[in-house]
Amino acid sequence: EAGVAQSPRYKIIEKRQSVAFWCNPISGHATLYWYQQILGQGPKLLIQFQNNGVVDDSQLPKDRFSAERLKGVDSTLKIQPAKLEDSAVYLCASSLPGVLSYEQYFGPGTRLTVT
Amino acid sequence: AQSVTQPDIHITVSEGASLELRCNYSYGATPYLFWYVQSPGQGLQLLLKYFSGDTLVQGIKGFEAEFKRSQSSFNLRKPSVHWSDAAEYFCAVGAEAAGNKLTFGGGTRVLVKP
Repeated sequence: EAGVAQSPRYKIIEKRQSVAFWCNPISGHATLYWYQQILGQGPKLLIQFQNNGVVDDSQLPKDRFSAERLKGVDSTLKIQPAKLEDSAVYLCASSLPGVLSYEQYFGPGTRLTVT
Repeated sequence: AQSVTQPDIHITVSEGASLELRCNYSYGATPYLFWYVQSPGQGLQLLLKYFSGDTLVQGIKGFEAEFKRSQSSFNLRKPSVHWSDAAEYFCAVGAEAAGNKLTFGGGTRVLVKP
């Protein structure tokens, strides 16, 4: 079974530039998550999708971050414009719904450096 | 709101020695509790989970954890550490009342000495 795929693995941009990350979840997983993991901290949920609908985006900085999952499968997270404090690893995870949503399968992440 | 504290940022242990990682949570009701492991350059992998029932839970890779309600703790243990256990470990709490959302602790980095 293929795992959660993410690309790119690494990205370096200058502040005020824009960047996009892509995630393809495990086949059949209706729930998809984007997390931000700042160095030395645990992952923080940015947004959760159930199929193509948003379940929770309360911690997404909506003035600069956006995410979509148009066909209920893969997803894109965008930052525009980037700030220095956005330097982090962006993790995508997927799961089955309900109580099984706790068994989340994570991709390898995208390490973003904003200079 | 739920929260998780992992008091130890780094732990160094000799190969073959036992390991215990501490986790304390804050939540008004009985939470669901989890331990995830993150190896360098990898995503997080679920080690074990507690929903209810037996307070001692077994996980993968020889790990176990014990839920102690009176101490609001869910400590992770392994009797004999292997070099491949060097990684970062995250405790997490979830609850249906919180929309099944996971809240992670800050993590504990484990270094294994030969």
